Amino acid sequence: QSALTQPRSVSGSPGQSVTISCIGTSSDVGDYNYVSWYQQSSGKAPKLIIYAVTERPSGVPDRFSGSKSGSTASLTISGLQADDEADYYCCSYAGGYTFYVFGTGTKVTVL
Amino acid sequence: EVQLVQSGAEVKKPGESLRISCKASGYSFTTYWIGWVRQMPGKGLEWMGNIYPGDSTARISPSFQGQVTISVDKSITTAYLQWSSLKASDTAIYYCARREGIAVTDPFDYWGQGTLVTVSS
Repeated sequence: QSALTQPRSVSGSPGQSVTISCIGTSSDVGDYNYVSWYQQSSGKAPKLIIYAVTERPSGVPDRFSGSKSGSTASLTISGLQADDEADYYCCSYAGGYTFYVFGTGTKVTVL
Repeated sequence: EVQLVQSGAEVKKPGESLRISCKASGYSFTTYWIGWVRQMPGKGLEWMGNIYPGDSTARISPSFQGQVTISVDKSITTAYLQWSSLKASDTAIYYCARREGIAVTDPFDYWGQGTLVTVSS
């Protein structure tokens, strides 16, 4: 099972919106509505920010939103802030013996 | 408060064995799956496997099958990741994480701080 494909980097100015894509296949993203997103700040452990494609854990700002179309999931960060600068990883349930496949990761830079 | 506290950094030689730990607290340890995730230097996250502390049922990714062992000690609410013969390519940060619910589709909601394993001759 190959890693899900994400852009290597995206950037935006404070207050702008950025969207990160996560391209999978019909065996993972396309087959299940169980895509989660994790934020990993430099030197820190990942933090769950979106699960089940669109759901936000309590405490996560509503500036973070998720969506899915076909085999592509997306994370949108609205009203970009300086502390949003981090690496972001998507993750999809993939069934079978693989269970979970992560994305390649995207570095978000706040200009 | 849910906490996962991992053991400290390790420096090992190729061929040596190693066991790292993940001490859980603040919740019912036996009713939530624990997963292990690898992050090689400068690279992304890779799921290695999960274990259910209630009955020690383990699921290992095909990519790591035969390479690592996952176990738990319920009496001290601790999960372990173990190698019998390390390779240089095992150099990475290893994270433990709690799976939010009973369903295999549930995400990892709490993470340990990570354990850096360096394998070098």
